[in-house]
Amino acid sequence: GAVVSQHPSRVICKSGTSVKIECRSLDFQATTMFWYRQFPKKSLMLMATSNEGSKATYEQGVEKDKFLINHASLTLSTLTVTSAHPEDSSFYICSASREPGPYEQYFGPGTRLTVT
Amino acid sequence: DAKTTQPPSMDCAEGRAANLPCNHSTISGNEYVYWYRQIHSQGPQYIIHGLKNNETNEMASLIITEDRKSSTLILPHATLRDTAVYYCIVATGANNLFFGTGTRLTVIP
Repeated sequence: GAVVSQHPSRVICKSGTSVKIECRSLDFQATTMFWYRQFPKKSLMLMATSNEGSKATYEQGVEKDKFLINHASLTLSTLTVTSAHPEDSSFYICSASREPGPYEQYFGPGTRLTVT
Repeated sequence: DAKTTQPPSMDCAEGRAANLPCNHSTISGNEYVYWYRQIHSQGPQYIIHGLKNNETNEMASLIITEDRKSSTLILPHATLRDTAVYYCIVATGANNLFFGTGTRLTVIP
C-alpha cells in the first residue's frame, strides 16, 4: 500500500515561534495533499487542500497567513504554523491522493504539536 | 457531500463479527461510500469503499443496500487491534472526504 510519512511526530515549541511540519508520499506521486487538524476527542477537521505547484485552498475559518502550506513537489508538502499560540496545540495529520476520482486518501501518522 | 449517521459506540466480543451500520439517506448517484478507521493517536487508515455493489477485501466487507441509503461494514473476526473509531464517509472521490464523529468500536476480550 501507499505510505505517507510526517516529520516530526511530536514537537513542543514556545508561544510566538513558528513550526514546520513535513508530509511526504514515500512510494507514489501525490497529485493532491490535504492537511487536517484534530483536537482531543474530536473528529478530523480539514484545514486545506493543496495541489503541486499551486496555492492551497483553505477551508472556511482557517487563516491562510497563519497556516502556510507549500506543496513544492509531487511527494512533499509542508505546513508551517506561524507565531504559534497555545490554542494551536493539536494533532496535525496530512494525507495524499494519487489522483482525483473515487480513490482513497493515504494518511500520515500525524504530528502532535504542543505550544507552551 | 451527503451526511452520514453512525452510532457513537459499539462493543464486540473478540473473535466475533463486528457489524458497523451507517445511514446515508441523502447520498447522490455519483457518491461513493468510504470507510476509514483511526486507532488512538494515529492517522486514519483506509478500509474499503464502494459505489453500489458489495465489496470485500482482506480487511473487511462492505454491504450497501439496494437503495444505497445505508451500508454496513463487517469485520469478520474482530481482534483487540480492531478497537478504533470507524468513520463512514460519502463522497464523490478522494478529494472530498469530510469526517464525522464516527463509531467507537471496542473489542472485548
